[in-house]
Amino acid sequence: DADVTQTPRNRITKTGKRIMLECSQTKGHDRMYWYRQDPGLGLRLIYYSFDVKDINKGEISDGYSVSRQAQAKFSLSLESAIPNQTALYFCATSDPRGEKETQYFGPGTRLLVL
Amino acid sequence: GQNIDQPTEMTATEGAIVQINCTYQTSGFNGLFWYQQHAGEAPTFLSYNVLDGLEEKGRFSSFLSRSKGYSYLLLKELQMKDSASYLCACETGANNLFFGTGTRLTVIP
Repeated sequence: DADVTQTPRNRITKTGKRIMLECSQTKGHDRMYWYRQDPGLGLRLIYYSFDVKDINKGEISDGYSVSRQAQAKFSLSLESAIPNQTALYFCATSDPRGEKETQYFGPGTRLLVL
Repeated sequence: GQNIDQPTEMTATEGAIVQINCTYQTSGFNGLFWYQQHAGEAPTFLSYNVLDGLEEKGRFSSFLSRSKGYSYLLLKELQMKDSASYLCACETGANNLFFGTGTRLTVIP
């Protein structure tokens, strides 16, 4: 079983709709992240959470919100989707203990906003 | 501001060696990661450099010069499965990663 899972894997929605992308992990990591990836722009950080009570904005948080429901779950919401939010979304986790803090990525959610 | 430069695309021959360069200017720097990403898939960790010098791991090696803001990823004995994008990312603080746009490597027979 995958350590970091994302649902749904693909989603098509219409402008103005509210949608939620979910991320779950079995790695036992405290830290979780949401990124979006666009062609030619690389991965950009949307939000991150270092524990259940900690939520931080990333580089491009406008138009998004998050919820850390438990150590293992971190969801990303688009309150009113717009076409320029069409992108590939990745969740990632990391563990601050140890020599290096590698981020482990989920398989991604491909979102199309019409 | 923050910036990472890496070539957009590279092509190399199966069995050869290829070097992918990355230069960076970031506010705060703890270390540098390289990730591999096959098309449509998740990035996967390749290497991490925090000190200057070369880190070798099998066919892949990564080099860092902090004073020059420069890193490279060296891939030896290229295989067709190495065709992928290679992402350079700077750890800028508290495990915040700032990613470059990636280098798409195509390995040809």
